[in-house]
Amino acid sequence: SQTIHQWPATLVQPVGSPLSLECTVEGTSNPNLYWYRQAAGRGLQLLFYSVGIGQISSEVPQNLSASRPQDRQFILSSKKLLLSDSGFYLCAWHTWRGNTIYFGEGSWLTVV
Amino acid sequence: KNQVEQSPQSLIILEGKNCTLQCNYTVSPFSNLRWYKQDTGRGPVSLTIMTFSENTKSNGRYTATLDADTKQSSLHITASQLSDSASYICVVEVMSGAGSYQLTFGKGTKLSVIP
Repeated sequence: SQTIHQWPATLVQPVGSPLSLECTVEGTSNPNLYWYRQAAGRGLQLLFYSVGIGQISSEVPQNLSASRPQDRQFILSSKKLLLSDSGFYLCAWHTWRGNTIYFGEGSWLTVV
Repeated sequence: KNQVEQSPQSLIILEGKNCTLQCNYTVSPFSNLRWYKQDTGRGPVSLTIMTFSENTKSNGRYTATLDADTKQSSLHITASQLSDSASYICVVEVMSGAGSYQLTFGKGTKLSVIP
């Protein structure tokens, strides 16, 4: 069966510190991968998507970057966090053959 | 600009009652319309998915409808349970030429079911 793992689940980071959130998918190959952010009281905002290894598309300019070093691994990073980076980050995936988009459990980031 | 608007923003109902959540969209054309349930602090979980040619889709006590002419969708919850308390998100999906799906999310309706 297909599963998606996302970690860490929660983290508190000081302003200016780096960030690395990792997402891995099991049970499928060549998935489309997505990073979303959900700020308090707001809808899901697409940050990055990837259709293959090394292929990253950014939807909004921001302080974050994404990388896909392996087929089923998607990483969200920042060199220097801002207070506005706080939020709930979700990784998601699906394939052309499937009709469901699967979300990870999310990562709560609080920048202090 | 493609948009997905959901109403009401929040809703409180008594356990056992029915309710209907609304989703209006301007995304056109689109491939699929999805409804997700998101418990607080968790990732969204898929409830239903409809192609643009479908009118209704059920999943247990959840029934989604789609009117492509008026660009409206609704999610009807029957005999609500306390565990239905969550945010319900409408998502319109367009297949892009880059080989991926462009998803437009509504901001969700926060449902609270009280005993």
